[in-house]
Amino acid sequence: RKEVEQDPGPFNVPEGATVAFNCTYSNSASQSFFWYRQDCRKEPKLLMSVYSSGNEDGRFTAQLNRASQYISLLIRDSKLSDSATYLCVVMNSGGSNYKLTFGKGTLLTVNP
Amino acid sequence: EAEVAQSPRYKITEKSQAVAFWCDPISGHATLYWYRQILGQGPELLVQFQDESVVDDSQLPKDRFSAERLKGVDSTLKIQPAELGDSAMYLCASSLLRLAGPLNEQFFGPGTRLTVL
Repeated sequence: RKEVEQDPGPFNVPEGATVAFNCTYSNSASQSFFWYRQDCRKEPKLLMSVYSSGNEDGRFTAQLNRASQYISLLIRDSKLSDSATYLCVVMNSGGSNYKLTFGKGTLLTVNP
Repeated sequence: EAEVAQSPRYKITEKSQAVAFWCDPISGHATLYWYRQILGQGPELLVQFQDESVVDDSQLPKDRFSAERLKGVDSTLKIQPAELGDSAMYLCASSLLRLAGPLNEQFFGPGTRLTVL
C-alpha cells in the first residue's frame, strides 16, 4: 500500500459546483496533514493544514479521520481559478527530523 | 515577499553529462530540502539539510547524486552522470524552524526542469 493515496482524477466540474477530494495514508503514527495546491508548471504551495476537528477556510473545508486514516478536501462554489492539482501531504517524524510525503495529486479543472 | 530562488529554471542535457542545480533559501531558514517531481507524481524528498548538515538523504541515489550546503545557506544538487530517467522537476524548499513541527511550513522555489536526451 502506498504511503499516501489520492483520488486519481482528473475532475472536470462547472463553475459553482462542489467537489470533494479524498486521500488515505498508511502510517497510523503520522502526525500532521496538509493540502497543497500546485498550478501547472509551478511549485506547490500550502493550501491548508488539516486538523482532527475539521477546519474551514472560506470555500475550502478539510477533514481528518484518524481512525480510518482518511483525509478530505471539499471545495464549494468552484471558481475558474481553483483549477490546479491538489496534493495530499502527510508528515511523519523521526526524532528531531520530520518528512513530508506527497500523494500523486488530483487534477481539477473548473469549466465556465 | 521573500522567496526561494533556484537556477537554472530549465536545463537540457545529454545522458552521461554532469548537471548542477542551485538553490538559495529564504533568508534565515535553517532547513533546506531538495525534492524530485516526476511528471504526474507528487514531489519526493531527495535530501534534507539542517544548516550545513545532512539529516536525511535516504532517498538520494548516492551513486550519481550529491548535494551540499557548505555554509548553511545556499545549496547545490549535482547529478553525474545524468540518465534518461532523471528527467524531472527538481524543487528546492526551505523552512524556518530547526525543530520538527506541523507549523514548520515549507516554501518551495520555482524548480529546475531537467530534460535528459
